Amino acid sequence: DTEVTQTPKHLVMGMTNKKSLKCEQHMGHRAMYWYKQKAKKPPELMFVYSYEKLSINESVPSRFSPECPNSSLLNLHLHALQPEDSALYLCASSQFGQGAYNEQFFGPGTRLTVL
Amino acid sequence: DQQVKQNSPSLSVQEGRISILNCDYTNSMFDYFLWYKKYPAEGPTFLISISSIKDKNEDGRFTVFLNKSAKHLSLHIVPSQPGDSAVYFCAAGDTGNQFYFGTGTSLTVIP
Repeated sequence: DTEVTQTPKHLVMGMTNKKSLKCEQHMGHRAMYWYKQKAKKPPELMFVYSYEKLSINESVPSRFSPECPNSSLLNLHLHALQPEDSALYLCASSQFGQGAYNEQFFGPGTRLTVL
Repeated sequence: DQQVKQNSPSLSVQEGRISILNCDYTNSMFDYFLWYKKYPAEGPTFLISISSIKDKNEDGRFTVFLNKSAKHLSLHIVPSQPGDSAVYFCAAGDTGNQFYFGTGTSLTVIP
């Protein structure tokens, strides 16, 4: 299995809803990432988990809450989002954690719309 | 402040010719660079990487060149094929797992 999967593909939610995005990889990778990408912009890093520990949090608002239940799974819990949070949310994984050069493999993304 | 820049938002090339995509970075601490290809409604796909100890890395039709003194890298695709039409992102980072992406160049290969 050489891919990163993300569910759901599309999500529409209201500002008072609570929802979760899910990401899974079975490549034995030890680092996992959440990125946010707005139209015609580059992906922006949100969180990095390295060996199942949160190692980077790029000053993301608390309405986004990451969780790494095990080395294969990464969740992003969403609560009280704003319309400007509408974007493509990308998950990625890499073989090694911090301290090594390694490319990141991306999932297809979840297209989130906040009404 | 954008640390990685791709100054050409779009590029059109005839099939069979060379495509050259450029990328500039500002942070001299960056020592690992990657190129990704992205189709609409899909996540970026890793293409090729280069570390700062090299100035060239080749993989089939794709070659990445790194000029550290100029803080510039380029991706050459030879020969270009219609299936190469996509948005190409360069990314730069270090061993901290934090990569910074450029704004992308949309490549169109004309049959």
